[in-house]
Amino acid sequence: DVKVTQSSRYLVKRTGEKVFLECVQDMDHENMFWYRQDPGLGLRLIYFSYDVKMKEKGDIPEGYSVSREKKERFSLILESASTNQTSMYLCATRTGNHEQFFGPGTRLTVL
Amino acid sequence: AQSVTQLDSHVSVSEGTPVLLRCNYSSSYSPSLFWYVQHPNKGLQLLLKYTSAATLVKGINGFEAEFKKSETSFHLTKPSAHMSDAAEYFCVVSFTGGGNKLTFGTGTQLKVEL
Repeated sequence: DVKVTQSSRYLVKRTGEKVFLECVQDMDHENMFWYRQDPGLGLRLIYFSYDVKMKEKGDIPEGYSVSREKKERFSLILESASTNQTSMYLCATRTGNHEQFFGPGTRLTVL
Repeated sequence: AQSVTQLDSHVSVSEGTPVLLRCNYSSSYSPSLFWYVQHPNKGLQLLLKYTSAATLVKGINGFEAEFKKSETSFHLTKPSAHMSDAAEYFCVVSFTGGGNKLTFGTGTQLKVEL
């Protein structure tokens, strides 16, 4: 079974803090994704990566950056957290036939 | 551009009655279509997928969906609802050449009552 793990289930940060969300996968998948999930909006793609050190902006990249130094690890960075970044963050990997496997999510609250 | 519309944000059914969750898509190319389920405080799980093979797709837990190109629809059905089906369901579209991106619908919350 594919396993996608995220470093924290719950996180509380203050406005202006730098926040790191980590995602690790164990299936050697090339493609990795970061989404945020908000009620009534579904999942929206923030960034994705199709190889080590490669990244592409998704639909809502503003206020976020990413890092992929190793194939199994994909980090999402909030340079200066704001209250409108309070959300559920989901990491996913992708197989060759488009199927995505999701981590359990990190619920981030920015005060 | 691709998009997906889930026509109902909330659906309520009685246990033992049929389930219908509606999804329409828009895609310039041949799409791949998926349904994912998210139970409370759990991660998203793939229910089923359509990738240009049989138009009637069977998934886990008795769910199935039919791809209808003429109607650009991919509705999710189940003959008899169970209490454990209560969850949020997402219809998702992707297409070859779409930059590996999935586009998610806004979700349908399914409630199952006794």
